[in-house]
Amino acid sequence: SAVISQKPSRDICQRGTSLTIQCQVDSQVTMMFWYRQQPGQSLTLIATANQGSEATYESGFVIDKFPISRPNLTFSTLTVSNMSPEDSSIYLCSVTHRAGGVPYNEQFFGPGTRLTVL
Amino acid sequence: RKEVEQDPGPFNVPEGATVAFNCTYSNSASQSFFWYRQDCRKEPKLLMSVYSSGNEDGRFTAQLNRASQYISLLIRDSKLSDSATYLCVVNTYGNFNKFYFGSGTKLNVKP
Repeated sequence: SAVISQKPSRDICQRGTSLTIQCQVDSQVTMMFWYRQQPGQSLTLIATANQGSEATYESGFVIDKFPISRPNLTFSTLTVSNMSPEDSSIYLCSVTHRAGGVPYNEQFFGPGTRLTVL
Repeated sequence: RKEVEQDPGPFNVPEGATVAFNCTYSNSASQSFFWYRQDCRKEPKLLMSVYSSGNEDGRFTAQLNRASQYISLLIRDSKLSDSATYLCVVNTYGNFNKFYFGSGTKLNVKP
């Protein structure tokens, strides 16, 4: 499976500020995704990070609030803008990878970024 | 209707018990199916992919019923270390290659 790292692993931020989360993969991957997981909840897809073009956002998420970059096939960033306490969550980067002999993609996650907004 | 539905539990079982989790999905065009395990304050980790014919990995057995749009995970001889949340995940091919997550089923294995 791909090895995924995220920075920072956690942060505590003041409301109204912005935080950029980085996701680095050890190999070139086609699909990269950003998820949010609020306490006690399952994962919610924020957007698909597209290399060389604008990200594809899910309903309820907009580019002004969650701008995403993906300059190449191994790196992406997610910015949480103008933060409020409701943005406190774990943010997870994921990639899909097709192992040899497997006819479909499997998804692997980074370790997550734990964000607390005061 | 949610894309993927699971019983949230918690399932509280003694060590050595056999426990089964079920999951239903709404999109008949779904192509691939997975069980993930998520430990507290950790990222989800792939436990098993679910093949059409069903598959087994040690104490874990996964089954797929396409006609009923239903996936199951059976854990035999439960260990304390099996305590975690188990997420059912369904993938639908298409332009966005989306993965849909169930809300997870929490398992507590007690001594």
